Amino acid sequence: DAGVIQSPRHEVTEMGQEVTLRCKPISGHDYLFWYRQTMMRGLELLIYFNNNVPIDDSGMPEDRFSAKMPNASFSTLKIQPSEPRDSAVYFCASSLSQNEQFFGPGTRLTVL
Amino acid sequence: GESVGLHLPTLSVQEGDNSIINCAYSNSASDYFIWYKQESGKGPQFIIDIRSNMDKRQGQRVTVLLNKTVKHLSLQIAATQPGDSAVYFCAESTPSGYSTLTFGKGTMLLVSP
Repeated sequence: DAGVIQSPRHEVTEMGQEVTLRCKPISGHDYLFWYRQTMMRGLELLIYFNNNVPIDDSGMPEDRFSAKMPNASFSTLKIQPSEPRDSAVYFCASSLSQNEQFFGPGTRLTVL
Repeated sequence: GESVGLHLPTLSVQEGDNSIINCAYSNSASDYFIWYKQESGKGPQFIIDIRSNMDKRQGQRVTVLLNKTVKHLSLQIAATQPGDSAVYFCAESTPSGYSTLTFGKGTMLLVSP
């Protein structure tokens, strides 16, 4: 298995632009998680899905952030409009039931 | 301008030494704990886990110790190798939400040859 796949690996954009991050979980996994990592705040859970349904989005910072999972093999995290304080590494992870979470390589987002 | 980042605690060891990385957790209701390793430019990678009905669990070259009384977790790495250099995170979860992991700030391990 290729593991969790994320794209793009790096994204540089200007303040106010829309950003879309993509994730393909490991085939057969029924949980998908979006995390944000910064030096100041560490690794924070933003939202997670079970069987494509959002279960807990309490970590989503504000309405500028939204996440979707239209099917079992694809999820997006969108920021609109983006701000410099959104600069971070965004990780997607997946798991089978409530077991070990496997992380993707991350997307490094820079908002100028 | 940029904000100053938080410096991670760092443990520097020589190759071949044993390393001990500590973690204090905050939620007394947590009953499942995981150690992750994160190498530069990569996502966290599972190392070992332990449930609260145990106080010790061993893997290959790694041992996790859990002290529920003082809410302390440690990761011991035997015969540390340069490839062990990474940031190590502990994570905890509670019975009400095993899917939700709360991560610690991390410790950087630097192994010198």
